[in-house]
Amino acid sequence: DQQVKQNSPSLSVQEGRISILNCDYTNSMFDYFLWYKKYPAEGPTFLISISSIKDKNEDGRFTVFLNKSAKHLSLHIVPSQPGDSAVYFCAARLRNTGKLIFGQGTTLQVKP
Amino acid sequence: KAGVTQTPRYLIKTRGQQVTLSCSPISGHRSVSWYQQTPGQGLQFLFEYFSETQRNKGNFPGRFSGRQFSNSRSEMNVSTLELGDSALYLCASSLEGRIGANEKLFFGSGTQLSVL
Repeated sequence: DQQVKQNSPSLSVQEGRISILNCDYTNSMFDYFLWYKKYPAEGPTFLISISSIKDKNEDGRFTVFLNKSAKHLSLHIVPSQPGDSAVYFCAARLRNTGKLIFGQGTTLQVKP
Repeated sequence: KAGVTQTPRYLIKTRGQQVTLSCSPISGHRSVSWYQQTPGQGLQFLFEYFSETQRNKGNFPGRFSGRQFSNSRSEMNVSTLELGDSALYLCASSLEGRIGANEKLFFGSGTQLSVL
């Protein structure tokens, strides 16, 4: 039972263009959402987050959008850079336990 | 400030053996969580320890166990290894285990376990 789903295993984008990574969730008990980035041979690192009471959060080139009615989360990277090439995980926090549930990850490749 | 340290980085075991992985959290962090990463499954939550007590648990069989010591260091044990246990095991730490705007989760680089 995958409560947080990233349906695209991979995404390839040209440098300078926009990268859009998507995430869907099924549990209404999630109250906080996060994106992590992971390079090979390293652990995931925090990228950006959003509370369920908001619909957008921006940090430099990274913007996260939350559509609660559709139970959909997306991460926009503009402009994309080759150094953004990594695996991106979305995660959702359960309100009652604080536990984080992660998606399967999407591998982003930004081509020069 | 040192990050989350996991040892060993790589491990090769055979079916039926057991294995113990170690994690040292960031100094001052009292919550330690363990995750299993496999291709296609993403990061799956194993368990969380806080003040030497297991506070949250994922949907893994009883062969997977853990513990936390008084200095917040944690170990994870897998007994009777199966081929499907081959994965990257990640440890993460945070101050109190309440991840949000004021508290972040920090991951170690993981232990890559191969079961032959």
